[in-house]
Amino acid sequence: AQSVTQPDIHITVSEGASLELRCNYSYGATPYLFWYVQSPGQGLQLLLKYFSGDTLVQGIKGFEAEFKRSQSSFNLRKPSVHWSDAAEYFCAVGALSGNTPLVFGKGTRLSVIA
Amino acid sequence: GAVVSQHPSRVICKSGTSVKIECRSLDFQATTMFWYRQFPKQSLMLMATSNEGSKATYEQGVEKDKFLINHASLTLSTLTVTSAHPEDSSFYICSAVQGYNYGYTFGSGTRLTVV
Repeated sequence: AQSVTQPDIHITVSEGASLELRCNYSYGATPYLFWYVQSPGQGLQLLLKYFSGDTLVQGIKGFEAEFKRSQSSFNLRKPSVHWSDAAEYFCAVGALSGNTPLVFGKGTRLSVIA
Repeated sequence: GAVVSQHPSRVICKSGTSVKIECRSLDFQATTMFWYRQFPKQSLMLMATSNEGSKATYEQGVEKDKFLINHASLTLSTLTVTSAHPEDSSFYICSAVQGYNYGYTFGSGTRLTVV
């Protein structure tokens, strides 16, 4: 069965420091991978997605992620974190067929300190 | 791009009453929609898959008689929480797949509070 593991429940980084959020997936078919961000009380915002091609994908707000098939990973990175990046981050995997839902990881809460 | 409109965004209802949540695909036809539930400080959990013109498929542990899903057209799916109780208070969000270029599109979510 498909699954997504986000090993880190909570991460705290200093403003201006670099960030890496880990995501590992298990999927029986070609994975389509996503990172979403959710601020408290808000809906989901898509940061970036990987479908095929270049394994390093760029997203919004300065985020990027690298797909590593050999490691079944899709880690999210940002070189310099801003205080406004504090939020919950979800990694998800799907198949993009009409009847296959996204499967989400449990999320990583990011706190940013001055 | 693909847009899924979800209403209402917030609803407070009394225990024992029913609440209907609507999701509309505005510029595409969604044969299938997915309904998720998110409890505070938790991830999104799939509740059910809604298929146009047929019965929804519910995930294990989700009461189909409590969470009624209707997908009567290619652009509208509804979730009705019947006889709501405080433990049903949650964030409900729908999603659909438009196609390869757009991926999964989510509604803005509905925060249900049962008092």
